[in-house]
Amino acid sequence: GQQVQQSPASLVLQEGENAELQCNFSTSLNSMQWFYQRPGGSLVSLFYNPSGTKHSGRLTSTTVIKERRSSLHISSSQTTDSGTYLCALERGTNTGKLTFGDGTVLTVKP
Amino acid sequence: EAAVTQSPRNKVTVTGGNVTLSCRQTNSHNYMYWYRQDTGHGLRLIHYSYGAGNLQIGDVPDGYKATRTTQEDFFLLLELASPSQTSLYFCASSVGTGENTLYFGAGTRLSVL
Repeated sequence: GQQVQQSPASLVLQEGENAELQCNFSTSLNSMQWFYQRPGGSLVSLFYNPSGTKHSGRLTSTTVIKERRSSLHISSSQTTDSGTYLCALERGTNTGKLTFGDGTVLTVKP
Repeated sequence: EAAVTQSPRNKVTVTGGNVTLSCRQTNSHNYMYWYRQDTGHGLRLIHYSYGAGNLQIGDVPDGYKATRTTQEDFFLLLELASPSQTSLYFCASSVGTGENTLYFGAGTRLSVL
């Protein structure tokens, strides 16, 4: 089975609404990362979050290892937040080998 | 901001053709990676390297070779391209692993007819 599962697969919001994206993993975790993929395809790193909660502007990432889940919360969504959000876990310690989920496609309407 | 440049941006070839995808990073990062992304899916690791002359096998290496000729340059070779290799290819680099930020190139869209 897939080691990293993301939900929902897609999400449509009105501008200003909040979003909660989930990432569940079935294998032991060494680190969890979140990435944003622009509609044109390019990717940027959002968070490295192996455990606990991290904040960056309107984004909050929370990883709970014992529950094998990580979440990404987007508050007060904007149209420019539209795109695909991918989580990835690193297998092994400092191996650099990431397993990605299939992503959540977020559409924020004006 | 770290720069990772991929070329070409788009490539069309025929079954059995020979393709080389190039990646250059200008920040002397130790680690470089090649991923493929198929429509509606996340990225899958093909090969990676932690320095010039080093090569590590990823999760989907079949049909691909890679070479890290310098600290800056990492190449992905498809010697007998097949339609199943039609995909979006990303190169990435990082200083190290774990908490080190991964920087991605803009991607190469490859079509094998």
